[in-house]
Amino acid sequence: GEDVEQSLFLSVREGDSSVINCTYTDSSSTYLYWYKQEPGAGLQLLTYIFSNMDMKQDQRLTVLLNKKDKHLSLRIADTQTGDSAIYFCAEIGGNSNSGYALNFGKGTSLLVTP
Amino acid sequence: DAGVIQSPRHEVTEMGQEVTLRCKPISGHDYLFWYRQTMMRGLELLIYFNNNVPIDDSGMPEDRFSAKMPNASFSNLKIQPSEPRDSAVYFCASSTGRSSYNEQFFGPGTRLTVL
Repeated sequence: GEDVEQSLFLSVREGDSSVINCTYTDSSSTYLYWYKQEPGAGLQLLTYIFSNMDMKQDQRLTVLLNKKDKHLSLRIADTQTGDSAIYFCAEIGGNSNSGYALNFGKGTSLLVTP
Repeated sequence: DAGVIQSPRHEVTEMGQEVTLRCKPISGHDYLFWYRQTMMRGLELLIYFNNNVPIDDSGMPEDRFSAKMPNASFSNLKIQPSEPRDSAVYFCASSTGRSSYNEQFFGPGTRLTVL
């Protein structure tokens, strides 16, 4: 299947900005997503971007999309300890059989230290 | 709405036993997904249903795994016989095809340990 790649770990200090990067291979993806998983819980949609956009801002979150390089990033401004979690990049599966199924990256564990 | 409900939350069983995981999707959602999460392989889609019909089961690891959705409010995933390598967290998610961006809502997961 198509691959979604992310770095596995990121550590930042409280108050700094965090940038989590993702690359994907399916150029037909219509939406790209960032999901957040807190310890012991399921994933929750954090934000998404439509493929004809290159930026989306939502409070402390900024999503940047570079379609040419198939690169997606999530910036969290003023990172707080409560932002410590695993962040998953995902795309809608592009093959005809996948319908609404998502391809997820392996997740980036963000650790925010005081 | 209570969200996606999964049971049990934790299951410990011995190799060779049958395991049944259960999921109740959000009312009105017509897509249901089963995922497996492990450290080594990350989050893998096992199977998904649309209007109770299996659409893509290419992620089901082998014949020991089966999933059914007898009605719109219930699905189960069975592993028979279970093996230690099946140990993982299994997530169920649901979504509505009527949303333009297809948000999936995840349950809390079932942590399965096969000894």
